[in-house]
Amino acid sequence: GQNIDQPTEMTATEGAIVQINCTYQTSGFNGLFWYQQHAGEAPTFLSYNVLDGLEEKGRFSSFLSRSKGYSYLLLKELQMKDSASYLCAVRGGGFKTIFGAGTRLFVKA
Amino acid sequence: DVKVTQSSRYLVKRTGEKVFLECVQDMDHENMFWYRQDPGLGLRLIYFSYDVKMKEKGDIPEGYSVSREKKERFSLILESASTNQTSMYLCASSPQGTVNTEAFFGQGTRLTVV
Repeated sequence: GQNIDQPTEMTATEGAIVQINCTYQTSGFNGLFWYQQHAGEAPTFLSYNVLDGLEEKGRFSSFLSRSKGYSYLLLKELQMKDSASYLCAVRGGGFKTIFGAGTRLFVKA
Repeated sequence: DVKVTQSSRYLVKRTGEKVFLECVQDMDHENMFWYRQDPGLGLRLIYFSYDVKMKEKGDIPEGYSVSREKKERFSLILESASTNQTSMYLCASSPQGTVNTEAFFGQGTRLTVV
């Protein structure tokens, strides 16, 4: 079957680094996406990985290992505004994308 | 900026009513999607469309239908609303042709069926 797992909640301190993990099992693989979703708002795109390795974009980085079915999102220099849900999504065969349940991140002062 | 607009932020409907959720995008995207988002379950794909008048079932199409008469508009129809269809509904669009393009989401419609 197809499945995406990520932790339900995480808490971190302002200024710190946090890593949100995602493991997946899908039929077909055409890339992995991370989205950020603030409460009551639309998900917005953060990153895309299709090859193994680390993609860095400012304070956010995303890592992919296709052989392990594993990705993580790394957030550095955490700010209060980073409190949100982070959704891991895998594009399988064709254009169908499967989403994980999301990780709610709480950033405390 | 890409804009995906859903017609309502909040809706309350009665059991058995026919419900229409409308979505419009302004970036000439070929692909459009309807998801529902429930706590602990993430986004689940209901239907998607990759062209005008074309539609494909997603993972949970039962109780829903869709209509795409124009490229910019994708409608989700609940034929006879039931309480288990109370949820947040998200519309999204993306361009066709490449797999590395992200989806752009609307603000969502929180539907309550009473």
